[in-house]
This record gives sequence, structure tokens and C-alpha cells, in this order.
Amino acid sequence: ETGVTQSPTHLIKTRGQQVTLRCSSQSGHNTVSWYQQALGQGPQFIFQYYREEENGRGNFPPRFSGLQFPNYSSELNVNALELDDSALYLCASRAGMGDNEQFFGPGTRLTVL
Amino acid sequence: AQSVSQHNHHVILSEAASLELGCNYSYGGTVNLFWYVQYPGQHLQLLLKYFSGDPLVKGIKGFEAEFIKSKFSFNLRKPSVQWSDTAEYFCAVILNDYKLSFGAGTTVTVRA
Repeated sequence: ETGVTQSPTHLIKTRGQQVTLRCSSQSGHNTVSWYQQALGQGPQFIFQYYREEENGRGNFPPRFSGLQFPNYSSELNVNALELDDSALYLCASRAGMGDNEQFFGPGTRLTVL
Repeated sequence: AQSVSQHNHHVILSEAASLELGCNYSYGGTVNLFWYVQYPGQHLQLLLKYFSGDPLVKGIKGFEAEFIKSKFSFNLRKPSVQWSDTAEYFCAVILNDYKLSFGAGTTVTVRA
């Protein structure tokens, strides 16, 4: 295990609803990234937070948003859920912007009906 | 945009066989390269990484990978697999300071 935790483990929502996923980074890590892994695909980068600021974003619409808190834990919020948002959402943390090794959490499995 | 291609979607082999998984990336500049593994029911974890220096990189569990710049490749190898190597393997590239770009993954099934 990496020390990165995510909650909840599984979640079922319906189209149009909103969801919040949570991540606690590994101790000492101030940088958190979020990834979406659809079935049969590799993880796709959503965004990254460094010291409570978003400082990088992938090709995801604005209804995907996030927060990072002073203790470096993070939230991913998705509004107006669509069926295609069904995926495993992964959180990864690293020690800082100069460190390229990321440590992944177990993920949250989101199903949108 | 950069991309990462993994040649095989699913590989099935017997214990003690040799394994080689192909990975190519499409970017001409400086890259940092990674192989991650996801065992059934477990987290993604780092197998090995290449930043610079010796292009032959050794990782955990007997895996190694070779960076060939002229071929834009970073293939993963293991001389003799075990049943416990059954997992999904992802090649990934990081170009700037934050974004890991993953390949689609290769599922490896090792038969006892």
C-alpha cells in the first residue's frame, strides 16, 4: 500500500447528479493529481493541485472541478453526471513538483446509471 | 499531442516463459518514462522508471526496461515470469512537470 487513501470505494449515481470524491495524500506529499480510468483503458489525467492551487489540467470539461485543503487532502467534484463518467477515479500524490514519482490510491469506482 | 502506444492488449504465457511488452511514445523531446503494474485488486504501483543515464533500467521483481531513443521505445522485459506476475501493465510518459500520459495497458496472464 502507498499511504494514499480514497473514499468512497464504490459509488452509484444517476445522470444529472453531482458527486464528490475524496483523497488523502501520503504523508509529506503536497501535490495531488486525479485520473479517470475507464474500463479497458489507461488512466487519463484530469488535473493536479499543488499547495491548494490547480496548476495543470487535462482534456476534461469544467464540470470536473477540485479542491486541495491545507493538509493537502483533495476533492474531485463532478457536476451534471453523464453515463460516460462511469469509471475508476484515481488519486496520486507526490512529494513536490520536482519529484516525478507518483503514488496511487486504490481508486473510487463510480457508476452512473 | 503526445501519445503512448502499447502493442499488445492481452498476453498469455506459461510460467518460466520470457515476457516482453512493447511501448512507444510520440514525442521528440526529453521524456521521463515509467512502467506501472496493477495486480488484481491492488493499487497501481511503480515497476521502474527512466529519467536519464543508463538506458537499461532495472526495477522491482526482476523486471527491466530498455530506453531506445531512436525508436521512441521503452519496452519492458522479464526473463522468466511467475504466476504472480499476472496483472495489468501500463507504460507512461511525463513530459512537463505534472501530467502522466498512460498507454491503454496490457493484460498479462501467466498460466501455472
